[in-house]
Amino acid sequence: DAGVIQSPRHEVTEMGQEVTLRCKPISGHDYLFWYRQTMMRGLELLIYFNNNVPIDDSGMPEDRFSAKMPNASFSTLKIQPSEPRDSAVYFCASSLGSGAYEQYFGPGTRLTVT
Amino acid sequence: GEDVEQSLFLSVREGDSSVINCTYTDSSSTYLYWYKQEPGAGLQLLTYIFSNMDMKQDQRLTVLLNKKDKHLSLRIADTQTGDSAIYFCAETTTGRRALTFGSGTRLQVQP
Repeated sequence: DAGVIQSPRHEVTEMGQEVTLRCKPISGHDYLFWYRQTMMRGLELLIYFNNNVPIDDSGMPEDRFSAKMPNASFSTLKIQPSEPRDSAVYFCASSLGSGAYEQYFGPGTRLTVT
Repeated sequence: GEDVEQSLFLSVREGDSSVINCTYTDSSSTYLYWYKQEPGAGLQLLTYIFSNMDMKQDQRLTVLLNKKDKHLSLRIADTQTGDSAIYFCAETTTGRRALTFGSGTRLQVQP
């Protein structure tokens, strides 16, 4: 079975450019999460969805960040305009809404903003 | 507020047992998890424990939970060089499905 799929795996862009990260959750999972990992702040939640509806976006840094989930099999995280401090690894994870709520992570997108 | 803390580094010899520790502050924790991250990779779920349990064993992994002290540990028996990685503990709490992570413990296994 395919796990969580993220694209691109690496993204290098210049400050001010728009960046779009993509995620396909595991089929049948009804929760989708976006996390960011940096050396300074570790792993932190950005936003999560349940049944395509945003539930908690308190971790979204500012208005430059937006996330959408137009259907159960696709989500995007957009940064516009990007800044050097946005450089990080962005992870998408998905889980079922029952049991132990185990979250399964994608391989991440390494974003570098120059 | 939520806070999960781990020691930063642990070094063991191949074949020994490793014990990675974690403390948390939120008394409304529902599940606690251990994830493994190898260099350049995503996070791999190793195991989890329900907050009302005190122990769970899964092959070489043993999780101990002291709910009174809010202390969680992961014991890896017969540690191998392939176990070298960063280990994160994480929790979910009542009403919040997102994970709160510790800072990670880097495990180095020496041959």
